[in-house]
Amino acid sequence: DAGVIQSPRHEVTEMGQEVTLRCKPISGHNSLFWYRQTMMRGLELLIYFNNNVPIDDSGMPEDRFSAKMPNASFSTLKIQPSEPRDSAVYFCASSQTEILEQFFGPGTRLTVL
Amino acid sequence: AQSVTQPDIHITVSEGASLELRCNYSYGATPYLFWYVQSPGQGLQLLLKYFSGDTLVQGIKGFEAEFKRSQSSFNLRKPSVHWSDAAEYFCAVGSNYGGSQGNLIFGKGTKLSVKP
Repeated sequence: DAGVIQSPRHEVTEMGQEVTLRCKPISGHNSLFWYRQTMMRGLELLIYFNNNVPIDDSGMPEDRFSAKMPNASFSTLKIQPSEPRDSAVYFCASSQTEILEQFFGPGTRLTVL
Repeated sequence: AQSVTQPDIHITVSEGASLELRCNYSYGATPYLFWYVQSPGQGLQLLLKYFSGDTLVQGIKGFEAEFKRSQSSFNLRKPSVHWSDAAEYFCAVGSNYGGSQGNLIFGKGTKLSVKP
């Protein structure tokens, strides 16, 4: 198995631009998680899905952030408009809900200038 | 409220010395417990997990952890640290029940530095 796949690995954009991060979970996993990691705030859960349905989005910072999971093999995290304080590493993870063990992708390092 | 506390933000040990990283949790249900490791520039990798049974669990890279229900702790240990163990370590807790089914709560991490 290829593991959790995230793209792009690095993204540099200017303030105000739209940013879309992509994630392909491990086949057969039915839970998907989006995290953000910064030096100041550590690892934060943004949102997670079970069977493509958002279960808890309380970690999404504000309306500029949105996430979708149109099918079991793909999810996106969108930031519109982006701001410099959104600069962070964004991780996607997946799991089989009953087993709990989360498998993390390599992350997307986002820099907003 | 459910929470995970890793009291040590940063620990430095000499290569070859023993290591213990502390983790305390607060969780209403029977917890499932995990330790993850993150090397610089990498994602998180599972070291070991505890679901039930023997309270001493073995993981990859020579790590082990002991679940102590009376102390609400799940400390990570290694008898002899290698320079390649320098990384950040995260403790996490979760449950298969309730509204948060499938989710994990992570501690803030402990950064391990290894002296030659």
